[in-house]
Amino acid sequence: KNQVEQSPQSLIILEGKNCTLQCNYTVSPFSNLRWYKQDTGRGPVSLTIMTFSENTKSNGRYTATLDADTKQSSLHITASQLSDSASYICVINMEYGNKLVFGAGTILRVKS
Amino acid sequence: DADVTQTPRNRITKTGKRIMLECSQTKGHDRMYWYRQDPGLGLQLIYYSFDVKDINKGEISDGYSVSRQAQAKFSLSLESAIPNQTALYFCATSDPLRGYNEQFFGPGTRLTVL
Repeated sequence: KNQVEQSPQSLIILEGKNCTLQCNYTVSPFSNLRWYKQDTGRGPVSLTIMTFSENTKSNGRYTATLDADTKQSSLHITASQLSDSASYICVINMEYGNKLVFGAGTILRVKS
Repeated sequence: DADVTQTPRNRITKTGKRIMLECSQTKGHDRMYWYRQDPGLGLQLIYYSFDVKDINKGEISDGYSVSRQAQAKFSLSLESAIPNQTALYFCATSDPLRGYNEQFFGPGTRLTVL
């Protein structure tokens, strides 16, 4: 079964600190992997996208990495801000059938 | 994303009632989707439509039906709501020719079935 598993389930950090969220997947083959940010009460919004051949992609303070050999991706947030408090979802676009497989998300809370 | 709107935003109903959730988009995308989100689970695809005349079942279509009234409108119906359909429902749109088929999500509808 194609799966996307994220860890940790939730995380609390102090404002200004860095953190790394993990995504392990078994989906294969896939065309791209995307990280979404979902604020409370809102729909997910795309942060980064990587194809299977890319290793890293940045969007401001967000940096995503992909290791296709170990089937792992991570999202690193630098100098966290209160507005980073949200759920972060790892999503894989399967190569065939244009189907998306969603992780359950990591809930991040940034405290002052 | 204001380009994808959903109504209502919140709804409480009783078991056995018929419910319709509506989605409208101004992005001009042909593809539209309905998902449900439950705590601790990833979004699950209910139905999707690649154009006005195309409707496809997703992973969890039982108990749901959809209608694609126009390119911009895609409605989800629960013919006879049951408590385990209590969830957050999202509509999404995409254009496969742009942005690696990124999906753009509406703000969601929180549905509670008592």
